[in-house]
Amino acid sequence: ELKVEQNPLFLSMQEEKNYTIYCNYSTTSDRLYWYRQDPGKSLESLFVLLSNGAVKQEGRLMASLDTKARLSTLHITAAVHDLSATYFCAVDMDGTASKLTFGTGTRLQVTL
Amino acid sequence: GAVVSQHPSRVICKSGTSVKIECRSLDFQATTMFWYRQFPKQSLMLMATSNEGSKATYEQGVEKDKFLINHASLTLSTLTVTSAHPEDSSFYICSAGFGGLGGQYFGPGTRLLVL
Repeated sequence: ELKVEQNPLFLSMQEEKNYTIYCNYSTTSDRLYWYRQDPGKSLESLFVLLSNGAVKQEGRLMASLDTKARLSTLHITAAVHDLSATYFCAVDMDGTASKLTFGTGTRLQVTL
Repeated sequence: GAVVSQHPSRVICKSGTSVKIECRSLDFQATTMFWYRQFPKQSLMLMATSNEGSKATYEQGVEKDKFLINHASLTLSTLTVTSAHPEDSSFYICSAGFGGLGGQYFGPGTRLLVL
């Protein structure tokens, strides 16, 4: 059974500081997705990582994938309040995007 | 971009009644649609996968007679919660995919409250 774990589960961030969220998964996969969820809302796609060594950046967020280590990271540069949300990674189990297993989620809160 | 809608966005019903939730892909044909359930402060749990014109595939532990899924067309899937009970209260999210590398496109979710 595929397990996807995120660390930390909760992160209180100070503005303008840098932080990293880790996503570990238990079986081989070379496709991983990051999503953002605001309270009471559905999921917004952030990044699609499709191969080992993939790195994607959008604004203050940067995601990377190491398939050999079965690890993805989401790095936040100079946190701002707008980034407060819950972030999920999801692993593509069979390489067709037809079955995603979601991580436990990391709730980020940026304090002023 | 691909848009997925859900209706209703919020529903309150009495225990024992049935509730139908619709999921539509608005600007693309979805070969596969997925139904997830999310409890407060928890992750998404896949309930079932449905392909147009065929029976849904349910995840282990999900009662197929309680959560009826119909995927009548390439743009519409419905989830019916039959004989709903308070423990079925949750946030239900559908997603649609067409086999591309972009993954799945998520609907806005339906919040169900069973009294």
